[in-house]
Amino acid sequence: DAGVIQSPRHEVTEMGQEVTLRCKPISGHNSLFWYRQTMMRGLELLIYFNNNVPIDDSGMPEDRFSAKMPNASFSTLKIQPSEPRDSAVYFCASSLTLRDGGDEKLFFGSGTQLSVL
Amino acid sequence: GNSVTQMEGPVTLSEEAFLTINCTYTATGYPSLFWYVQYPGEGLQLLLKATKADDKGSNKGFEATYRKETTSFHLEKGSVQVSDSAVYFCALSGLPGQGAQKLVFGQGTRLTINP
Repeated sequence: DAGVIQSPRHEVTEMGQEVTLRCKPISGHNSLFWYRQTMMRGLELLIYFNNNVPIDDSGMPEDRFSAKMPNASFSTLKIQPSEPRDSAVYFCASSLTLRDGGDEKLFFGSGTQLSVL
Repeated sequence: GNSVTQMEGPVTLSEEAFLTINCTYTATGYPSLFWYVQYPGEGLQLLLKATKADDKGSNKGFEATYRKETTSFHLEKGSVQVSDSAVYFCALSGLPGQGAQKLVFGQGTRLTINP
């Protein structure tokens, strides 16, 4: 398996532009997570999907951020409009969540380094 | 709520030195505990885990023991290598059945090993 695949690896954009980050989870996994990593705030969970349904989006900073998972093999995180303070590394992760115990092992992608100028 | 506190970095050691990275936690119930490692330019990956008190997780020469009495899960390695240079994250899970969505990560500790 190729693991969790994210694209692009690097994104540089100007303030006000729309940014779309993409993620392909590991085949067979039923949970998908978007995290943001910054020096100041560390690793923050933005949103979590289970079986393609958003379960918890309480970590999404504001309405400029939105995430979708149209099918089990694809998810997007969109920022519109982008701002310089959105600059960070955005990670997608997936796992297999079991009904009776859970499997807390997360598999992370390599991340998207976003720079908003 | 659940929380994790790690020793602040950065930590710089010479090759073959002994490593300890401290991690303490606050949690309700009996969470599972984890160490994740992030190598430069990559995402986090699971290094080891322990699911109950007194369990010892181990992998690649690293070890950590789940200490309920001190609410700690310190990471140790007897002889570090340059290739161990990375950022290390301590994490704990939520209640059984909650899955990875309730993982709480520490701030991370950057480790640099000099030859």
